[in-house]
Amino acid sequence: QVQLVQSGAEVKKPGSSVKVSCKASGGTFSSYTISWVRQAPGQGLEWMGRIIPILGIANYAQKFQGRVTITADKSTSTAYMELSSLRSEDTAVYYCAREGIRKNFDYWGQGTLVTVSS
Amino acid sequence: EIVLTQSPGTLSLSPGERATLSCRASQSVSSSYLAWYQQKPGQAPRLLIYGASSRATGIPDRFSGSGSGTDFTLTISRLEPEDFAVYYCQQYGSSWWTFGQGTKVEIK
Repeated sequence: QVQLVQSGAEVKKPGSSVKVSCKASGGTFSSYTISWVRQAPGQGLEWMGRIIPILGIANYAQKFQGRVTITADKSTSTAYMELSSLRSEDTAVYYCAREGIRKNFDYWGQGTLVTVSS
Repeated sequence: EIVLTQSPGTLSLSPGERATLSCRASQSVSSSYLAWYQQKPGQAPRLLIYGASSRATGIPDRFSGSGSGTDFTLTISRLEPEDFAVYYCQQYGSSWWTFGQGTKVEIK
């Protein structure tokens, strides 16, 4: 059974950066693709980007290009999402999710609340 | 970018009733890459349907998906108390994913 466990809540100042981790267990991490999806308060789901750990290749939604960096450490089965130049609109719950066989997301982390406030 | 529009925004129904949720795409979507999720307050989304009509592991058969091209439907045949939640459709294409804005199924 795959499990994704994310790091804890963060409070950040505008203009700073945040780095959220997602540790995987079960299955073979290198064979996963991990995406990051965020959800602003009371809003819907928004895909940010993904990484293929075995290749070390990431791609990002156009909206976040230049501000988000997704990486993976195969030795610890952990994926990371770093978002820079934070603004209040980035206040959201950030989820990691594993990509399933039909480009869906079959396992999700518990979510990490990032609050951006001065 | 493909935009997914879900309707209605809110569906008010009673337990035991049938729920029909719509997801319309701005251009044709591969049925292989159309999925539905359920989300309850304070929880991560849960995969219900993938490939437009295949139920994910452990999903009861009262949930069914159908459709092709630009029009997709999630049907809950008889609402159970635990089914009142927000439902999202999602598609994959051109190396990225988009979600619909969600349909809330609430108790009438």
